[in-house]
Amino acid sequence: AQSVTQPDIHITVSEGASLELRCNYSYGATPYLFWYVQSPGQGLQLLLKYFSGDTLVQGIKGFEAEFKRSQSSFNLRKPSVHWSDAAEYFCAVGGVTGGGNKLTFGTGTQLKVEL
Amino acid sequence: DAGVIQSPRHEVTEMGQEVTLRCKPISGHDYLFWYRQTMMRGLELLIYFNNNVPIDDSGMPEDRFSAKMPNASFSTLKIQPSEPRDSAVYFCASTWDDRTIYFGEGSWLTVV
Repeated sequence: AQSVTQPDIHITVSEGASLELRCNYSYGATPYLFWYVQSPGQGLQLLLKYFSGDTLVQGIKGFEAEFKRSQSSFNLRKPSVHWSDAAEYFCAVGGVTGGGNKLTFGTGTQLKVEL
Repeated sequence: DAGVIQSPRHEVTEMGQEVTLRCKPISGHDYLFWYRQTMMRGLELLIYFNNNVPIDDSGMPEDRFSAKMPNASFSTLKIQPSEPRDSAVYFCASTWDDRTIYFGEGSWLTVV
């Protein structure tokens, strides 16, 4: 069965500092990987996705993520965090044959940004 | 383009009442999903449709929950009778390629 682990429940960074949110997945085949962000009281917004090809993917709002097959990881990064990035971030993994039915979410990482 | 549209955004209802949540997917998307988000269980897939046909409803918690998709632009999730443990955020989502899923803003349900 596929699974996603986000080991950090909460992370606090200073505005302007760099950010890395960890995500490890378990999946028996080629995964589709996603990062979503959820602001308080809002829905989930897609930040970026990886299906194949270049393992470093760029997303919206200055975020990027790197797929490392050997480590089963898909960590999210941002070189300089803004106060508006405070939100909850979810990593998700989907299957090759059908992302929707098999899309599994991690438990989320709550990001706090100190001014 | 309009995103996935859900209504109501917030609902407070009394235990035992019927609750109906509504969703309009993005035009042209032929997959529609209903997810539930709670603190305890995180995001769970309840049911999904392809071309208006329910494909997998194994995530629906019990018979009190039902979902329909009468046409390509409308779906409902109904809870009857509602219970306090149904309090959660219910998300509708859609996709055209069965991979990249776009979520609505969610319906915040509180059952008292």
